[in-house]
Amino acid sequence: GESVGLHLPTLSVQEGDNSIINCAYSNSASDYFIWYKQESGKGPQFIIDIRSNMDKRQGQRVTVLLNKTVKHLSLQIAATQPGDSAVYFCAENRNNQGGKLIFGQGTELSVKP
Amino acid sequence: GAVVSQHPSRVICKSGTSVKIECRSLDFQATTMFWYRQFPKQSLMLMATSNEGSKATYEQGVEKDKFLINHASLTLSTLTVTSAHPEDSSFYICSARGTSGAGDEQFFGPGTRLTVL
Repeated sequence: GESVGLHLPTLSVQEGDNSIINCAYSNSASDYFIWYKQESGKGPQFIIDIRSNMDKRQGQRVTVLLNKTVKHLSLQIAATQPGDSAVYFCAENRNNQGGKLIFGQGTELSVKP
Repeated sequence: GAVVSQHPSRVICKSGTSVKIECRSLDFQATTMFWYRQFPKQSLMLMATSNEGSKATYEQGVEKDKFLINHASLTLSTLTVTSAHPEDSSFYICSARGTSGAGDEQFFGPGTRLTVL
């Protein structure tokens, strides 16, 4: 399968700091990207999305940046809180393949109080 | 709105038995449902795409005779793991996408933890 990693990269931050999680995608035809948060034993939870005609989108405490030239996404979390501790996945929507989502490797975010 | 449920949330079975997992869209109609598998510390891997009233499309390397998918209505898709073996132990997650005009967003279920002894 695609985008299956052997282990999850981890990011450890102090409570109150900003977090930046990065993701590379593979298909230049992908037109829609989503960031998900997954807590242990649960399904993915939508955080924020962005379409390929944009390069930045902001939500509450979160910002997604899209660089199509290098096929790179980032998720910025402002004032990170302990409740933000989870695994974060980016996903690319393959519109030319029936709209299936291909997930990135994931990053485990750990927030120290 | 846009709630997806899965049943059961966890199941333990003996090797060689079959297990059925249900995925329901509770407050919207889902023309397309997706099934994913996730091993510990790994990403979600798409297994198959299921469209209501038609045969599922399986990803490369996923055995269609082992993972039977039925999408009989606009609110229900089932995944049956036939003759389960310990290597099938995993976290199975479904997602659902609404009818046309509802956009690209997929709504995810809470997952089903399958343990095969």
